Amino acid sequence: GENVGLHLPTLSVQEGDNSIINCAYSNSASDYFIWYKQESGKGPQFIIDIRSNMDKRQGQRVTVLLNKTVKHLSLQIAATQPGDSAVYFCAEVYGGSQGNLIFGKGTKLSVKP
Amino acid sequence: GAVVSQHPSRVICKSGTSVKIECRSLDFQATTMFWYRQFPKQSLMLMATSNEGSKATYEQGVEKDKFLINHASLTLSTLTVTSAHPEDSSFYICSAGRPTPTSYEQYFGPGTRLTVT
Repeated sequence: GENVGLHLPTLSVQEGDNSIINCAYSNSASDYFIWYKQESGKGPQFIIDIRSNMDKRQGQRVTVLLNKTVKHLSLQIAATQPGDSAVYFCAEVYGGSQGNLIFGKGTKLSVKP
Repeated sequence: GAVVSQHPSRVICKSGTSVKIECRSLDFQATTMFWYRQFPKQSLMLMATSNEGSKATYEQGVEKDKFLINHASLTLSTLTVTSAHPEDSSFYICSAGRPTPTSYEQYFGPGTRLTVT
């Protein structure tokens, strides 16, 4: 069958515009979610997290929204910069204190100067 | 703080040989370390979870005799790919967990690119 993993969804935005990256998660019992940024050839870098008892959390230039009804997460990046170009993954935490992560498929963000 | 290193960053080996990858937490003690593999343009897939001083827990489909994990101290875990084959070529990433009452954050290493020829 088709290997959808070879075709990362891509979002292309103009420098200075806002970016919205979406993610659907799988486990309704997950109680903690994290967004990671991964640049080419590097490990994932923590961006922002949110617990399931919240629906919004803001950081510096980033906002995460959580909709538990439809199991959907989004990452909003304000005033996107060329340095934001990377692959973004959402991850859900399961396994209690063990903290095992399930990563989503990822979205490639390309910022045009 | 919370820096995780991996060594080597890149390794090329011949088919049939074994390769060891080290993961170190440099400025904190990690009771749990995780090993992931990532194929090009794909997401990270958890291979195994290791707790210091105990046997690793492998995810379904991961051969524990092929991917040997040792977590001998609170700052070091190693992954040994035994009898490597070209299909083992991948990007291997470790992370170290430091759960707190408010966070389950994992700190990721920079990854190791393994190429098996």
